[in-house]
Amino acid sequence: DAKTTQPPSMDCAEGRAANLPCNHSTISGNEYVYWYRQIHSQGPQYIIHGLKNNETNEMASLIITEDRKSSTLILPHATLRDTAVYYCIVRVGGGSNYKLTFGKGTLLTVNP
Amino acid sequence: DTAVSQTPKYLVTQMGNDKSIKCEQNLGHDTMYWYKQDSKKFLKIMFSYNNKELIINETVPNRFSPKSPDKAHLNLHINSLELGDSAVYFCASSRSGTPDFLFFGEGSRLTVL
Repeated sequence: DAKTTQPPSMDCAEGRAANLPCNHSTISGNEYVYWYRQIHSQGPQYIIHGLKNNETNEMASLIITEDRKSSTLILPHATLRDTAVYYCIVRVGGGSNYKLTFGKGTLLTVNP
Repeated sequence: DTAVSQTPKYLVTQMGNDKSIKCEQNLGHDTMYWYKQDSKKFLKIMFSYNNKELIINETVPNRFSPKSPDKAHLNLHINSLELGDSAVYFCASSRSGTPDFLFFGEGSRLTVL
């Protein structure tokens, strides 16, 4: 699986958009980008994933650059409850003998 | 109705003891996992089971023995507990063929004194 690089921490004002970057310059053509988050003292939670196209769901938007070497997770209107560690993971989709590997992630702090 | 539930949520015990953590999922998933999150917050997979069959064992000491009585349950038994076993243990589940979409439990914080 391709390696990802994320800033260790970011701040965002409540109500503003939070843009979390992820670099994955060695990504291969069949690898997806996944985002999870972990709110303090809780288990990680799936947010969104994508391959090439930008994706949006009720939680967030995922913007993947055309060369796929980086992506940005966007929380359009951050709330205090979005304070969490956000993990960007790159891997080939599917497969049964598989493990999802979490890196250090980005600690997003949403300030009032 | 909790999707992935773990018990106990907190566990404090002495070195050398044997303890178990239970996990149950009501999502109808075929695959279950145990992850360990240490004090540095790294989240690492320990085991995964698919339909009660062990499919991933990540060089975990054999003091750790997962048991899956059925596909909705994956329990973790730990023998001869050591200080380094102190961590938060997370259970997770997914459908077969979609191991990227994990549903995690709330975690069980184990403290070994």
